[in-house]
Amino acid sequence: KAGVTQTPRYLIKTRGQQVTLSCSPISGHRSVSWYQQTPGQGLQFLFEYFSETQRNKGNFPGRFSGRQFSNSRSEMNVSTLELGDSALYLCASSPGTGGSNQPQHFGDGTRLSIL
Amino acid sequence: AQKITQTQPGMFVQEKEAVTLDCTYDTSDPSYGLFWYKQPSSGEMIFLIYQGSYDQQNATEGRYSLNFQKARKSANLVISASQLGDSAMYFCAMREPNAGNNRKLIWGLGTSLAVNP
Repeated sequence: KAGVTQTPRYLIKTRGQQVTLSCSPISGHRSVSWYQQTPGQGLQFLFEYFSETQRNKGNFPGRFSGRQFSNSRSEMNVSTLELGDSALYLCASSPGTGGSNQPQHFGDGTRLSIL
Repeated sequence: AQKITQTQPGMFVQEKEAVTLDCTYDTSDPSYGLFWYKQPSSGEMIFLIYQGSYDQQNATEGRYSLNFQKARKSANLVISASQLGDSAMYFCAMREPNAGNNRKLIWGLGTSLAVNP
């Protein structure tokens, strides 16, 4: 069974640009969550999508947005990039229903660097 | 507010010895779930073990076990017989209480474990 796939693995952008990151979940998983990981703040929850609907949202500005397609693939978009957006962005998938003991399965992440 | 605290920024252990990584949590909700993940330098977050607040026994998964002390609100990860491949960051996370079907996790800042040969 293929794992969670995130593309691209690395990305370099400049301030003011926008970027789109992609995540393909494990087959059959309908929930996709996004996290931002930085050395100072650790992992912070961005949002979760389930069946094409945003089910939960973290405390990030509106420049961070996402969407989920009918095949459960998800994209995350960041507009007007700032230096502080440099981070590892992790995507995680899970079935999305059923027991709360279901772990989230993570991709390798996209490392975004802002110059 | 819910919070996860990992007080050990870095730990060293000799190969084949056991090591305990600390995790304390804060929640007023009686129903919650706790997860441990491992993150090697490659970046991928790897699920290790889960403990539910109502589970009667401490969770175990191979060389990983959880020392769950509910009254103290601690869920320490024990790795037995450490291997060189165990060198990584280790994160404790809590599923947000009253989350329903939501899958938001609250994370500690992690512990960096180095296994010495």
